Amino acid sequence: ILNVEQSPQSLHVQEGDSTNFTCSFPSSNFYALHWYRWETAKSPEALFVMTLNGDEKKKGRISATLNTKEGYSYLYIKGSQPEDSATYLCAFFKAAGNKLTFGGGTRVLVKP
Amino acid sequence: AAGVIQSPRHLIKEKRETATLKCYPIPRHDTVYWYQQGPGQDPQFLISFYEKMQSDKGSIPDRFSAQQFSDYHSELNMSSLELGDSALYFCASSPTLKGIGSPLHFGNGTRLTVT
Repeated sequence: ILNVEQSPQSLHVQEGDSTNFTCSFPSSNFYALHWYRWETAKSPEALFVMTLNGDEKKKGRISATLNTKEGYSYLYIKGSQPEDSATYLCAFFKAAGNKLTFGGGTRVLVKP
Repeated sequence: AAGVIQSPRHLIKEKRETATLKCYPIPRHDTVYWYQQGPGQDPQFLISFYEKMQSDKGSIPDRFSAQQFSDYHSELNMSSLELGDSALYFCASSPTLKGIGSPLHFGNGTRLTVT
């Protein structure tokens, strides 16, 4: 994989259900993987910065895992709430250069 | 806590005009990034600066230029504006060059509309 890809593009979740989605990135030249949450009319807000293969991070009901060898990260939302509705962006930081490359995001809509 | 400040929030320009977008990073952040997000598109990296020097360059048109000043604020200058330049322009700052443990902190963006 050459770019950062996120799937699915959008997700409808019933309140209380758990969900997860994927970020795929180049497995070579890995430096860091970022997750951001982007609510409408606001700027992206950082969730996690992950650097080590096998990393798992958690923030409240949201958690993420990282597999740098195969080039993917999962974001999990446990017991989704309406306030979790947002676009979740992942971004790949490669070892050479100084830029984050963003995926297209997964838009999550939690229905009450 | 202080955040990344972008100005103006909204800007309307006509084709072939010029525009200047400003970004004031969080105090003690020495790295600034510019991203462009067109309607329905992924954020695209334009350019980044570290300690007032350009550190990386993305898909920034030759009509655009940017710099980081001694107080670490950055300006994105856009000339000969085209309709396709209409987008949301985000600035983000980070306290370290690669930000390995530091996420980006984003401003609220400048929405540029070219008519």
